[in-house]
Amino acid sequence: EDKVVQSPLSLVVHEGDTVTLNCSYEVTNFRSLLWYKQEKKAPTFLFMLTSSGIEKKSGRLSSILDKKELFSILNITATQTGDSAVYLCAVRGLKTSGSRLTFGEGTQLTVNP
Amino acid sequence: KAGVTQTPRYLIKTRGQQVTLSCSPISGHRSVSWYQQTPGQGLQFLFEYFSETQRNKGNFPGRFSGRQFSNSRSEMNVSTLELGDSALYLCASSLADGNYGYTFGSGTRLTVV
Repeated sequence: EDKVVQSPLSLVVHEGDTVTLNCSYEVTNFRSLLWYKQEKKAPTFLFMLTSSGIEKKSGRLSSILDKKELFSILNITATQTGDSAVYLCAVRGLKTSGSRLTFGEGTQLTVNP
Repeated sequence: KAGVTQTPRYLIKTRGQQVTLSCSPISGHRSVSWYQQTPGQGLQFLFEYFSETQRNKGNFPGRFSGRQFSNSRSEMNVSTLELGDSALYLCASSLADGNYGYTFGSGTRLTVV
């Protein structure tokens, strides 16, 4: 059974700090790893990492994938209060047909002014 | 470009009733997946539909069912509601194979009393 473990589960920082969120996974027939930000309801897509794209960067956010060690990290530099949210990591494996996402529990990030 | 639209936004039902939730995917997206999100279990996969066919199913009882129409809109139905079915139900749409990621709707908050 596919499994995703995120750490830490909760993190409180001050504005301007840099944070690193961790995601380890076990999945059959790995296809991709995705990061989402969830503030209220709809998870918002951040990055998708695959075998052919193991590093992504967008502004202050960046992510890497280590397919050998089966983990990914999400870095946020110069954090702002607007970064406060739950960050979700999900993996997509390919079952016999179709696909599904398996999510971790999420990391609750709180950025204080 | 319109996002993923879920209706209704909120629902209150009593135990034993049934409920139908609706999801309209992004135009051109043919795959719709459903997830249940609860504080204790996180995001759990319910099922995925593609071209009106269920091609993947999670570990939920038969009371949870769904369907997809020719215009890719999807509905999920929960019969004989239980208190434990109270959750945020999210749907995600993607192109055929998910290789370009998944976009989530804002969800339907179901409360069973």
